[in-house]
Amino acid sequence: GAVVSQHPSRVICKSGTSVKIECRSLDFQATTMFWYRQFPKQSLMLMATSNEGSKATYEQGVEKDKFLINHASLTLSTLTVTSAHPEDSSFYICSVSSRAGYTFGSGTRLTVV
Amino acid sequence: GEDVEQSLFLSVREGDSSVINCTYTDSSSTYLYWYKQEPGAGLQLLTYIFSNMDMKQDQRLTVLLNKKDKHLSLRIADTQTGDSAIYFCAETTNSGYALNFGKGTSLLVTP
Repeated sequence: GAVVSQHPSRVICKSGTSVKIECRSLDFQATTMFWYRQFPKQSLMLMATSNEGSKATYEQGVEKDKFLINHASLTLSTLTVTSAHPEDSSFYICSVSSRAGYTFGSGTRLTVV
Repeated sequence: GEDVEQSLFLSVREGDSSVINCTYTDSSSTYLYWYKQEPGAGLQLLTYIFSNMDMKQDQRLTVLLNKKDKHLSLRIADTQTGDSAIYFCAETTNSGYALNFGKGTSLLVTP
């Protein structure tokens, strides 16, 4: 499958600040990337579908203004958690769909203190 | 999306076989996957099966699909302690769509 790089792997930030998470498709031009959120001992919940050159498609219940997604190129999608609060603490994972299937980034553990 | 159900926990002894079960409700599911997640890590694709297949074997892994009952299983032969992880089944109706995941089965392999 595609090679996906996600950074940072772990971040601790103060409440009220913003955090940007990057997802790079290293060997595949991804027109679509997916962002998931995973709570402890729970499944991955789709947050949004990131579309290159256009607006992201958000799942019901996900705040667009809080979770800003930018997919400006075929190799990079970013998720910015704005004005983070402790309840935003979670594990965020991106995914790329290619002809070989789905490949996931290694995830970002966000802790808001 | 449609529901994907898995049992939450399974414990086996090293060397035994493990069977992890999954049921899904979307009859139009076309692609079904098994992923492995180790603590603090992303998801590793283990295997997948298309809905027109009944069985797929890849080394120690055997996937069985009963499309009529919408039941998917993953059998791990000769389970090792390194197989301890959370296993997710996932489905999608189209290879370009997002995956719909089960809650994951936590597999514990004891010596």
